[in-house]
Amino acid sequence: EDQVTQSPEALRLQEGESSSLNCSYTVSGLRGLFWYRQDPGKGPEFLFTLYSAGEEKEKERLKATLTKKESFLHITAPKPEDSATYLCAVQYSGGYQKVTFGTGTKLQVIP
Amino acid sequence: DAGVTQSPTHLIKTRGQQVTLRCSPKSGHDTVSWYQQALGQGPQFIFQYYEEEERQRGNFPDRFSGHQFPNYSSELNVNALLLGDSALYLCASSLFGPSSGANVLTFGAGSRLTVL
Repeated sequence: EDQVTQSPEALRLQEGESSSLNCSYTVSGLRGLFWYRQDPGKGPEFLFTLYSAGEEKEKERLKATLTKKESFLHITAPKPEDSATYLCAVQYSGGYQKVTFGTGTKLQVIP
Repeated sequence: DAGVTQSPTHLIKTRGQQVTLRCSPKSGHDTVSWYQQALGQGPQFIFQYYEEEERQRGNFPDRFSGHQFPNYSSELNVNALLLGDSALYLCASSLFGPSSGANVLTFGAGSRLTVL
């Protein structure tokens, strides 16, 4: 069965304190790994797609990396506006068009 | 360019009732997926519609049903509501891609359902 596990469940950082969020997956035949950001009361907002091990993508203070078993979302010098829940999701060949989400990491950045 | 729109935004029902949620996909998208998100959890896949047919289904009972219309909009119906059906229901649209590709989902803001 496909599985996506995110850690930690919650993370509290001081403004400027860099850290990383982890997403591990056990699916085979990965077609894509996604990162989304979700603000309270809103739908998830797309951040990145990673397709193969070794791939990296960056957007402002965020950098996503991918290995064969996990992905990391690195947050460099975060600001309070980066506070949100970050969701990891996968799409794999056995799941056809289905996208499976993890439970998310709730990030709080304190000024 | 309008993104994904969902209605209603909030609704309250009682156990045993039925509910219909609606979704209009992003312009240019032809596929609609529905997700259930309980408080503090990640979105759980309910089903996906393409070409007016249910293409894939998650682990949800038959009380959950849907429909896609020729204009690609979609409805989610839930019968015989249970307390545990209280959640944020998210609609996501995408472009149906090749079997080897990965399709990015665009989400609406969701419909918050409370069952009393």
